[in-house]
Amino acid sequence: DAGVTQSPTHLIKTRGQQVTLRCSPKSGHDTVSWYQQALGQGPQFIFQYYEEEERQRGNFPDRFSGHQFPNYSSELNVNALLLGDSALYLCASTWWGFGNQPQHFGDGTRLSIL
Amino acid sequence: KQEVTQIPAALSVPEGENLVLNCSFTDSAIYNLQWFRQDPGKGLTSLLLIQSSQREQTSGRLNASLDKSSGRSTLYIAASQPGDSATYLCAVLDAGNMLTFGGGTRLMVKP
Repeated sequence: DAGVTQSPTHLIKTRGQQVTLRCSPKSGHDTVSWYQQALGQGPQFIFQYYEEEERQRGNFPDRFSGHQFPNYSSELNVNALLLGDSALYLCASTWWGFGNQPQHFGDGTRLSIL
Repeated sequence: KQEVTQIPAALSVPEGENLVLNCSFTDSAIYNLQWFRQDPGKGLTSLLLIQSSQREQTSGRLNASLDKSSGRSTLYIAASQPGDSATYLCAVLDAGNMLTFGGGTRLMVKP
């Protein structure tokens, strides 16, 4: 039973560029959330997707956008990259309809902005 | 707005000690609380999940308690081992199915 998988594992970009990160949820899960974790801090919620729609959004600018596909996988897009976007980006999945279930995390994508 | 605080931020103990990690949250309207472990540069591994109606959960040498009314949770690690060295994060789940995390406790267990 595959868990949450994320790709790529590492990325190096320069300021102003755009990046796309990918996530496949755990088998049977239909809800995907994205989190940003700066070095030495706890993860911060970016947004959540269910039924291909953004359901919740944290305090992030609209440079951060996402998408969910019919197979429940998801992408996180970040435009006009800033040095402060350097972080570990984590994807988590769960079941929407069962509420109160644990969220399962992938190993993350380490994004470095030069 | 929910805020989660973890104390201490860092902890160094000799092998074999029993230890307690603390987590507090400001809004008691939570669905559950999860404790996670994170190794350097890695993702999050779920350790324990306590539903809002529960008082504690146990898994092996780990025991987590929840006092929702006071906005507190503790993670108790018995007989610590060097392999327990990691960052421990607590997170609360609210009505929006969104996790709010604390800043973590970095634990070092010395042989």
